[in-house]
Amino acid sequence: AQKVTQAQTEISVVEKEDVTLDCVYETRDTTYYLFWYKQPPSGELVFLIRRNSFDEQNEISGRYSWNFQKSTSSFNFTITASQVVDSAVYFCALSEATSNTGKLIFGQGTTLQVKP
Amino acid sequence: DTAVSQTPKYLVTQMGNDKSIKCEQNLGHDTMYWYKQDSKKFLKIMFSYNNKELIINETVPNRFSPKSPDKAHLNLHINSLELGDSAVYFCASSQDWGGKAPQHFGDGTRLSIL
Repeated sequence: AQKVTQAQTEISVVEKEDVTLDCVYETRDTTYYLFWYKQPPSGELVFLIRRNSFDEQNEISGRYSWNFQKSTSSFNFTITASQVVDSAVYFCALSEATSNTGKLIFGQGTTLQVKP
Repeated sequence: DTAVSQTPKYLVTQMGNDKSIKCEQNLGHDTMYWYKQDSKKFLKIMFSYNNKELIINETVPNRFSPKSPDKAHLNLHINSLELGDSAVYFCASSQDWGGKAPQHFGDGTRLSIL
């Protein structure tokens, strides 16, 4: 069965701290895709990154970096030198190629609060 | 230029009423979706359409009926609204339905049932 777990419900940090958001997934597919989305207080859902199951390279985009490890079924997200504008709910999501539906299975979300 | 737009942004109505939420995308995508976000922020897929054809109906009550007049539009009609329907409903679109393409979301419609 497919599942995404974000064990951290809420995280609070002070500005400029680094923070890592954990994501663990379960799937029987060999081909799948992992995503991170950001939902700021204004409510919209913003796509951040996609990773496919065959590409375990870590990715860095400015202050954001992602660590994909198939051995532990994890796709963690690190924000370096956090800023108040990073305060949001962050969702990890999974889609499986064999379902052929594009269905996204979301984790429960992690609420990140960055205090000045 | 808004890529995925939903209207209305807020919808407050009485139990038992019928209401519709409209969604349009100008990205040229073939696939569109409806998701429901409950009060605990949990997001769950409801429907997806590819080129006007239903792909997913995720055990949603019959009171919910999606309609796709063309591949740029996917509207959601809800009959006999119940208290439990209160949620934020998100429309999304993607380039294909194989799961690889990222989904782009609208800003959501907050539905409140009185």
